[in-house]
Amino acid sequence: SAVISQKPSRDICQRGTSLTIQCQVDSQVTMMFWYRQQPGQSLTLIATANQGSEATYESGFVIDKFPISRPNLTFSTLTVSNMSPEDSSIYLCSVEGQPNSYNEQFFGPGTRLTVL
Amino acid sequence: DAKTTQPPSMDCAEGRAANLPCNHSTISGNEYVYWYRQIHSQGPQYIIHGLKNNETNEMASLIITEDRKSSTLILPHATLRDTAVYYCIVQSTGTASKLTFGTGTRLQVTL
Repeated sequence: SAVISQKPSRDICQRGTSLTIQCQVDSQVTMMFWYRQQPGQSLTLIATANQGSEATYESGFVIDKFPISRPNLTFSTLTVSNMSPEDSSIYLCSVEGQPNSYNEQFFGPGTRLTVL
Repeated sequence: DAKTTQPPSMDCAEGRAANLPCNHSTISGNEYVYWYRQIHSQGPQYIIHGLKNNETNEMASLIITEDRKSSTLILPHATLRDTAVYYCIVQSTGTASKLTFGTGTRLQVTL
């Protein structure tokens, strides 16, 4: 299994500012995923991040709002830009399991963001 | 990916078996059934998956109907720590592993 940590675990931000969330994995992985979970809702995939290439965004999410970096095989960041109260959510990163793990995903603990 | 339908909530007494149903009537032949759960304030956790045969691991059992249009996750002896939202997801392996989460079933285990 993969152990994933996220920083910060929570933050309260002012509207119009930006926050960068870090995701660190204890092993090298090819694919990393960023999800958003709005209050009381299920998880929604924001984008898929592969090392060495641009992230692939899902419908409804754009790079200008959620820029992603993937500088190496164990680390990724997600920035929530020009925040508004509607961005208040839990942001989670996940990684695909190792080969032969049937695409099982391992999730980080999440970053709880509140925008005032 | 096929869509799934789950009851929004269920209750189960501690020590009893929890049987969580899932309908996936439009599942394709190459799609697997995955179950994840999310305990409050944590990230989702993988439980089990299957294609067409019943599966069992240390956490749970998965029963898939012969026509594969529905499945049941069984927690044989539920404990209070099993209180969580349980998500049934269908996904074809070999893709980019994008998990499409539905609304899930909120399981409340009580004394």
